Amino acid sequence: QSALTQPASVSGSPGQSITISCTGTSGDVGGYNYVSWHQQYPGKAPKLMIYDVSNRPSGVSNRFSGSKSGNTASLNISGLQAEDEAEYYCSSYTSSSNFYVFGTGTKVTVL
Amino acid sequence: QVQLVQSGAEVKKPGASVTVSCKTSGYTFTGYFIHWVRQAPGKGLEWMGRINPNSGGTKYAQKFQGWVTMTTDTSISTAYMEVSNLRSDDTAVYYCARALATWTQDYWGQGTLVTVSS
Repeated sequence: QSALTQPASVSGSPGQSITISCTGTSGDVGGYNYVSWHQQYPGKAPKLMIYDVSNRPSGVSNRFSGSKSGNTASLNISGLQAEDEAEYYCSSYTSSSNFYVFGTGTKVTVL
Repeated sequence: QVQLVQSGAEVKKPGASVTVSCKTSGYTFTGYFIHWVRQAPGKGLEWMGRINPNSGGTKYAQKFQGWVTMTTDTSISTAYMEVSNLRSDDTAVYYCARALATWTQDYWGQGTLVTVSS
């Protein structure tokens, strides 16, 4: 299974905006609008933050937004807060025989 | 409210099998897929497969074909995942998640730690 590529870490100061990239191929991110983003705290289950590239589930802060350009999806977090410090994973449907794939994960640190 | 409650931690020897259960409530069980995802210690998320409780139809990631089996019991709104012939590198937290037909996993279980050790 080839994971989607994310930066290992991204950091920012409180109040700043950060962007996490998620690079795949035309067989996954680039070919379908089934990209999700999950937030995970240590020892906890993942939580859905963005689905279908840019949709926010009810209850998720509007500081989180998603987008896609070509084979790369992005998660933007604006007005960074201490509680945003967590691991973030992108994921996508894939046309390969593996059907679905997660990203490598990005550790967000609030300085 | 939607809840997925998984069975407790397991310790197994190499070569054994383990079954993890995922009891759901708060929604129509047959109206959503159940995905299974695992996470080895200190590692990322790995998608294993999904099952359609309405039809029993399954899709497995290629890596898990043949040694992972997903089933459901619609009478008690519970999904099961059996992993056979366990190896030490199957040590992980295993999660179930409710999913839409569009592959979005919107609610997750709390996770089940499976430790494989001789």
